Amino acid sequence: AQTVTQSQPEMSVQEAETVTLSCTYDTSESNYYLFWYKQPPSRQMILVIRQEAYKQQNATENRFSVNFQKAAKSFSLKISDSQLGDTAMYFCAFMKQGDDKIIFGKGTRLHILP
Amino acid sequence: DVKVTQSSRYLVKRTGEKVFLECVQDMDHENMFWYRQDPGLGLRLIYFSYDVKMKEKGDIPEGYSVSREKKERFSLILESASTNQTSMYLCASSSPGQGFKYEQYFGPGTRLTVT
Repeated sequence: AQTVTQSQPEMSVQEAETVTLSCTYDTSESNYYLFWYKQPPSRQMILVIRQEAYKQQNATENRFSVNFQKAAKSFSLKISDSQLGDTAMYFCAFMKQGDDKIIFGKGTRLHILP
Repeated sequence: DVKVTQSSRYLVKRTGEKVFLECVQDMDHENMFWYRQDPGLGLRLIYFSYDVKMKEKGDIPEGYSVSREKKERFSLILESASTNQTSMYLCASSSPGQGFKYEQYFGPGTRLTVT
């Protein structure tokens, strides 16, 4: 069975700083997808970034980028120039190719301080 | 614009009551999901539906049932609510036809309190 581990339950950084959220996963699959979802306070969960395991290039979406290390089964999220609106719960997630279900980590609560 | 709506943002029910949580999506998605979110436990899948009248148990189905009579609507039913079902309930939908994207779209959540 696949598992997703987020080792940082809570983090705080100053506005404009760069922050990295950690995620490791365990799987015997070779084809899969990884995601970071963001859940702002009292707002809907949204997808931040996705990565296909077969791609070596790390995904990037504006200020958000990932460091995907397939051999180490690590998938960290880097937020550059952090903004107050980045304050949220962040969930790392895994999906096996051919499956429709996602396995979520327990989440990291990120506070961006003014 | 993609939309998943849930019937209530906040709900308070008494122990033993039958509770219905409704979810509607307007994206013509085949897949719909019900999750439970608790602090320190993340999101846990309760039930999954991949088509009308089709369902599959998730990781924590005990005490819950679901109904999907129409493609756009997925209901979560607590037959006899208990205090340990106090939680945030999230609905999501996705389409297998999206290929590699596989994004799940979430509703705003229903915070259920059982007293």
